[in-house]
Amino acid sequence: NAGVMQNPRHLVRRRGQEARLRCSPMKGHSHVYWYRQLPEEGLKFMVYLQKENIIDESGMPKERFSAEFPKEGPSILRIQQVVRGDSAAYFCASSPFWAPGPKETQYFGPGTRLLVL
Amino acid sequence: QKEVEQDPGPLSVPEGAIVSLNCTYSNSAFQYFMWYRQYSRKGPELLMYTYSSGNKEDGRFTAQVDKSSKYISLFIRDSQPSDSATYLCAMTINDMRFGAGTRLTVKP
Repeated sequence: NAGVMQNPRHLVRRRGQEARLRCSPMKGHSHVYWYRQLPEEGLKFMVYLQKENIIDESGMPKERFSAEFPKEGPSILRIQQVVRGDSAAYFCASSPFWAPGPKETQYFGPGTRLLVL
Repeated sequence: QKEVEQDPGPLSVPEGAIVSLNCTYSNSAFQYFMWYRQYSRKGPELLMYTYSSGNKEDGRFTAQVDKSSKYISLFIRDSQPSDSATYLCAMTINDMRFGAGTRLTVKP
């Protein structure tokens, strides 16, 4: 059973370009979470999605950031008109049910490291 | 004040030492408490989770929660060089709040 897949692993963009980060959850998982990790900081929750629905986007900046999890295909985190401050590692996690709980927890992907020049 | 405080270290110990990692938190509504291990350039992996105050043991790892003091700990016995990683505490009500992570190095 493959784990959570993220691609690309590394992404370099110039200021003003768009960044698209993809996340394929573990097989059988229908809940996806996106986090951002800045150097020397912990993971910051951004958004929680189920198939075709955004459940909680309270951690996502109101502008330039969007996320989707279509019926078919991976979840996408999209950052428009990137700025240098968007440089970070973006992690995706998936779970089979709503987490947290003692049984169903979040499994993390390897992350996408975004560098904005 | 951050919701979850964790000393970022770095922490360096000799092989075989007992390691103590700690977090404090401010929100008494947190229900579940977790410890994640993150190797360099990798995603976090869950080590342990606890729900109530008390101790939980899993092999060389012991997680401790003191809700009255809003304080959680992770102890690693007989530490190994392979334990060298960043350890993140996390806790949750509806969504997860992470500590900044403590970077641990176990020297052979």
